Amino acid sequence: AQSVTQLDSHVSVSEGTPVLLRCNYSSSYSPSLFWYVQHPNKGLQLLLKYTSAATLVKGINGFEAEFKKSETSFHLTKPSAHMSDAAEYFCVVRGAGGTSYGKLTFGQGTILTVHP
Amino acid sequence: DSGVTQTPKHLITATGQRVTLRCSPRSGDLSVYWYQQSLDQGLQFLIQYYNGEERAKGNILERFSAQQFPDLHSELNLSSLELGDSALYFCASSPRGGTPGNTIYFGEGSWLTVV
Repeated sequence: AQSVTQLDSHVSVSEGTPVLLRCNYSSSYSPSLFWYVQHPNKGLQLLLKYTSAATLVKGINGFEAEFKKSETSFHLTKPSAHMSDAAEYFCVVRGAGGTSYGKLTFGQGTILTVHP
Repeated sequence: DSGVTQTPKHLITATGQRVTLRCSPRSGDLSVYWYQQSLDQGLQFLIQYYNGEERAKGNILERFSAQQFPDLHSELNLSSLELGDSALYFCASSPRGGTPGNTIYFGEGSWLTVV
């Protein structure tokens, strides 16, 4: 079985300050991990993905995530928030073995608010 | 633009009715997935098709059904609609069946409101 926990349902930052969205996962195999962003009334857009290559993954719009196997974490960061980053962010694990092979499991989402 | 096209974007219908949601995957993608996003349940996987055949089934109700056609587009049929079926329905596609590293690309969703 696999699961994803996004530790904060809401995160609020000021424009120009760092962003940290936390994600922990549980998986019996070495999974692939993704972060998606959903802007209001829009579909899910891929920010970045980890697939067992480099543990520090760079994505679009200045976002990064670091895969830490020992901590089973895949936190999303950005050095400086922009107003356009306000959206909901989903951490997603995709199973690599057993009954979870290929299966996507979504976290509950973190709503990011950016204040001027 | 992900390349996944969903129609209609918005739909309002009455309880007991039946609707069909349509999805065109990215060019060349063989897999189509359907997800339901509601406020209380979050994102729920409904069903996956790969090259015309059902590949995986999630929390899909018996009142719902889907199919993937030879041209790879897919339809999700929702019948005997209830108020609780009101949600955003996403279609997604990926190149292959379930290879873990493959990215899944999402459409913009079809908003269904049941009144």
